Amino acid sequence: DQQVKQNSPSLSVQEGRISILNCDYTNSMFDYFLWYKKYPAEGPTFLISISSIKDKNEDGRFTVFLNKSAKHLSLHIVPSQPGDSAVYFCAASSAGGTSYGKLTFGQGTILTVHP
Amino acid sequence: DAGITQSPRHKVTETGTPVTLRCHQTENHRYMYWYRQDPGHGLRLIHYSYGVKDTDKGEVSDGYSVSRSKTEDFLLTLESATSSQTSVYFCAISVRGAGDTQYFGPGTRLTVL
Repeated sequence: DQQVKQNSPSLSVQEGRISILNCDYTNSMFDYFLWYKKYPAEGPTFLISISSIKDKNEDGRFTVFLNKSAKHLSLHIVPSQPGDSAVYFCAASSAGGTSYGKLTFGQGTILTVHP
Repeated sequence: DAGITQSPRHKVTETGTPVTLRCHQTENHRYMYWYRQDPGHGLRLIHYSYGVKDTDKGEVSDGYSVSRSKTEDFLLTLESATSSQTSVYFCAISVRGAGDTQYFGPGTRLTVL
């Protein structure tokens, strides 16, 4: 049972345009969401996060939107740059009980930004 | 940089042999995690620790054990390696656990022949 899903395995975008990466979740107990970027042969790097009490969080070129009723979040990158080409993972966790901060990840989306 | 190192970075071993992977952190974080990354699955949690000698299972724990005798070290052991355990293994830490960001090490690429 995949509780966090990224339904697009890949996305190709032109430099300077907007990249939109999507993520859906099924567990209503999730209340903290994160995006990670991963280059080949490196560990995932934290990009941006959002708590369920918010619907938007912005950090420079990166904005994450959360739609709780639809159980959907998205990452917008504007403008996209060739250096943004990487695998992007969304992840979710629950702050309650004995979760201990465990993360559940989506399958990842490969973003390619063409010059 | 969260001060996380993993060793070895690459390992090739044979089916049936035991293998231990090490995660070392320098900042005394309480929470540590082991994940494996496989195509089509993203990262999946194997085991985690919420303190010295306090560990628990994640979603794909079969065939793995862990130990944490010191705050800075979290060991992952494959008791008898199988080809299905060929993967890239990542260690992560978080400062506060629940509702907190995790930071990842560089990974160990393990191949079981």
